[in-house]
Amino acid sequence: AQKVTQAQTEISVVEKEDVTLDCVYETRDTTYYLFWYKQPPSGELVFLIRRNSFDEQNEISGRYSWNFQKSTSSFNFTITASQVVDSAVYFCALSEEDFGNEKLTFGTGTRLTIIP
Amino acid sequence: DTGVSQNPRHKITKRGQNVTFRCDPISEHNRLYWYRQTLGQGPEFLTYFQNEAQLEKSRLLSDRFSAERPKGSFSTLEIQRTEQGDSAMYLCASSLGGPNQPQHFGDGTRLSIL
Repeated sequence: AQKVTQAQTEISVVEKEDVTLDCVYETRDTTYYLFWYKQPPSGELVFLIRRNSFDEQNEISGRYSWNFQKSTSSFNFTITASQVVDSAVYFCALSEEDFGNEKLTFGTGTRLTIIP
Repeated sequence: DTGVSQNPRHKITKRGQNVTFRCDPISEHNRLYWYRQTLGQGPEFLTYFQNEAQLEKSRLLSDRFSAERPKGSFSTLEIQRTEQGDSAMYLCASSLGGPNQPQHFGDGTRLSIL
């Protein structure tokens, strides 16, 4: 069975600080996909990134970076120089390589508050 | 390019009533998914469609829940004889298909049972 754990329920940082959101996953599949989504106060889930299990390269996109480590089953998300607009709930999610079962399994989310 | 559209945004109803929600996916997406999200939790999978075929249903989807996608375009989710525990945000998503494709979500329908 697949499972995603986001142990940090809430994080608050002062604007311009860096912050890392943790994500640990469990799966029996050797091929799987990891995702991060952002849910601002308006409620819509916004797709941020997808990572394949066979690609362990870290990725950077502007102030966002992602660190994928299969050895520790982790897919952490770092925001550099945080801004107030980054305040939201962030979800990590997992899907397995099963074309008959395409559900996303989400973690419980981390509420990030950026203090101006 | 319009995103996923859900209607209504909010629904308030009395316990025991039936409710129906609608989802219009991104036009070129053949997969459509329904999730439920309660306060402080991540979305939980309910069911999904490939075109008009319903391929999987979660155990969360009791007999009171039914979903359709009659022509492979929009979908409806109906809850019969609503209960207090049905109060939640109901999210719809669509994708190009396959577990590797990102799912794109609508704004959701918030259901409140009085």
